[in-house]
Amino acid sequence: QVQLHESGPGLVKPSQTLSLTCSVSGGSISTGSFYWSWIRQPAGKGLEWIGRIYTSGSTDYNPSLKSRLTISLDTPKNQVSLKLTSVTAADTAVYYCARTIKTIDTDWFDPWGQGTLVTVSS
Amino acid sequence: SYVLTQAPSLTVAPGQTARITCGGNSIGSKSVHWYQQKPGQAPVLVIHDDSDRPSGISERFSGSNSGNTATLTIIRVEAGDEADYYCQVWDSDYGHPYVFGTGTQVTVL
Repeated sequence: QVQLHESGPGLVKPSQTLSLTCSVSGGSISTGSFYWSWIRQPAGKGLEWIGRIYTSGSTDYNPSLKSRLTISLDTPKNQVSLKLTSVTAADTAVYYCARTIKTIDTDWFDPWGQGTLVTVSS
Repeated sequence: SYVLTQAPSLTVAPGQTARITCGGNSIGSKSVHWYQQKPGQAPVLVIHDDSDRPSGISERFSGSNSGNTATLTIIRVEAGDEADYYCQVWDSDYGHPYVFGTGTQVTVL
């Protein structure tokens, strides 16, 4: 079955760029009616959708993050990448990637990666 | 933007039934999905499309949705059901298509 694994630096300095990779196994990121989403969760808080990318490469971003966010596909490596610029302490969170099941009138997330903690601190 | 409201916590005795609610304006007209998140772990989908159970999820989990409230029901609650539960909807009317509920922490005691 499809499995997702996030990776990247656990510590990022304020004002720098957060870069994460989601490696997908058990299926191709470029086929099927799926989006690939990033979702984050600050410690002790709820889930926040960050953005998504379709198998075609088209993207949609959370309006609150849009100006700082880039999500891309690396099809040969079967990876999904996230870049968030100009980070602050408010960006400290566990970051998850998740396959997004796309249907006519709704979408849901399944499965999720195990998550990776990113701390923004000098 | 669309708001989903959940009670922060729920305590249930082993063997009893837990009913976790998710409130939203006319949520009955949307499809609701539910996730279970155990401490230190990633969320896991337990119900999609209001009441469909993914393969591998216990039959003790069920869902319903009507009016302004969606409900995740867990019967014969076990210690292993202790977790945070989040509801989620997709809404095309906003630039932010995915909305999560605030989460309910279920304690089995």
